[in-house]
Amino acid sequence: DAKTTQPPSMDCAEGRAANLPCNHSTISGNEYVYWYRQIHSQGPQYIIHGLKNNETNEMASLIITEDRKSSTLILPHATLRDTAVYYCIVNNAGGTSYGKLTFGQGTILTVHP
Amino acid sequence: GAVVSQHPSWVICKSGTSVKIECRSLDFQATTMFWYRQFPKQSLMLMATSNEGSKATYEQGVEKDKFLINHASLTLSTLTVTSAHPEDSSFYICSASRSTGPQYFGPGTRLTVT
Repeated sequence: DAKTTQPPSMDCAEGRAANLPCNHSTISGNEYVYWYRQIHSQGPQYIIHGLKNNETNEMASLIITEDRKSSTLILPHATLRDTAVYYCIVNNAGGTSYGKLTFGQGTILTVHP
Repeated sequence: GAVVSQHPSWVICKSGTSVKIECRSLDFQATTMFWYRQFPKQSLMLMATSNEGSKATYEQGVEKDKFLINHASLTLSTLTVTSAHPEDSSFYICSASRSTGPQYFGPGTRLTVT
């Protein structure tokens, strides 16, 4: 699987958009970009994933650059409950269930009042 | 939704005993289930991958005779930590996946071996 690089920590004011970047310069054509988050002492929560088009769901938006070497997760209106570790993961299973997820250190997002 | 449960949520056991952790997909059939371990202040590490009805595939360095995995049905996988020792104390998390799409994680099980 391609390696990802994320900033170790970020801050965001409550109510503002949180933009979390991720670099995956060695991504290959069949690899998806997945985002998960983990709130302290809980299992990771799936947020969103995409291949090359931008994606949006009820939780967030995912913007993938045209060359696919980087992406940005956008939480449009951050709340205190969005404080968590956010993981950007590239998976080579082409969206099937057989892909292993390799978790890096992620980005600690702190949302403050 | 895609809900995965784990039981128990926490367990304390004595050194040398065995502990079984259950992972269930509540509202979907899981073709594949995964088991992860997370030590304090570290990221998740994949331990093994299991498909219903077949033997689990263990990651390098994970002892298959110590961490027994059974995936008896499309909604249930179990992890048994045999002859547990204090160094096995950790946060164990399972995930489940349909034939396509993302993995959904359980809430985790905190194991403390005294």
